[in-house]
Amino acid sequence: AQKVTQAQTEISVVEKEDVTLDCVYETRDTTYYLFWYKQPPSGELVFLIRRNSFDEQNEISGRYSWNFQKSTSSFNFTITASQVVDSAVYFCALSEARRLRFGAGTRLTVKP
Amino acid sequence: ETGVTQTPRHLVMGMTNKKSLKCEQHLGHNAMYWYKQSAKKPLELMFVYSLEERVENNSVPSRFSPECPNSSHLFLHLHTLQPEDSALYLCASSQEAPSYNEQFFGPGTRLTVL
Repeated sequence: AQKVTQAQTEISVVEKEDVTLDCVYETRDTTYYLFWYKQPPSGELVFLIRRNSFDEQNEISGRYSWNFQKSTSSFNFTITASQVVDSAVYFCALSEARRLRFGAGTRLTVKP
Repeated sequence: ETGVTQTPRHLVMGMTNKKSLKCEQHLGHNAMYWYKQSAKKPLELMFVYSLEERVENNSVPSRFSPECPNSSHLFLHLHTLQPEDSALYLCASSQEAPSYNEQFFGPGTRLTVL
């Protein structure tokens, strides 16, 4: 069965610290997609990145970077030099037919 | 309006009331989704509509009744709800129903059932 595990329930850092959010997944599919979404206090989930199972290149977008490793079934997300505006709940998700299977989320609090 | 909008943003209802949640997407997408987000469970997919046809019903109780009159609008009709149905209800849309397409979410309706 498909499964997404975000073991870190809550993380608290001080501004400018780097922080890594972990995501481990299970799937029997050979082709699949992984996603990260951000949910700020306003409520809507904001799409951050999609990665397919054939592309293991790391991705960097500004202060955000993602490390995809099929060997360990992980798709971790790092925020460099965190800012207060990064405070949110972050969800990792795995594609499954017509649906996305979401992890439980990690609540990140960045303190000034 | 842009993106995905949801109304109302907050709703308080009694267990015997009937109410409806509305979602509208302005992105030209063909698929729409209802999710439930409660404190105790991860995001739960409730329904998927593709080209106005329901393609997935994730074992949702019949007190939740979806309606998709066209590809831009999605409703969730509520009746005789239970207190455990209190949650944030999120609507999303995507270009097509296959899950490799990124989904765009609305801000949600915070529902409280008394």
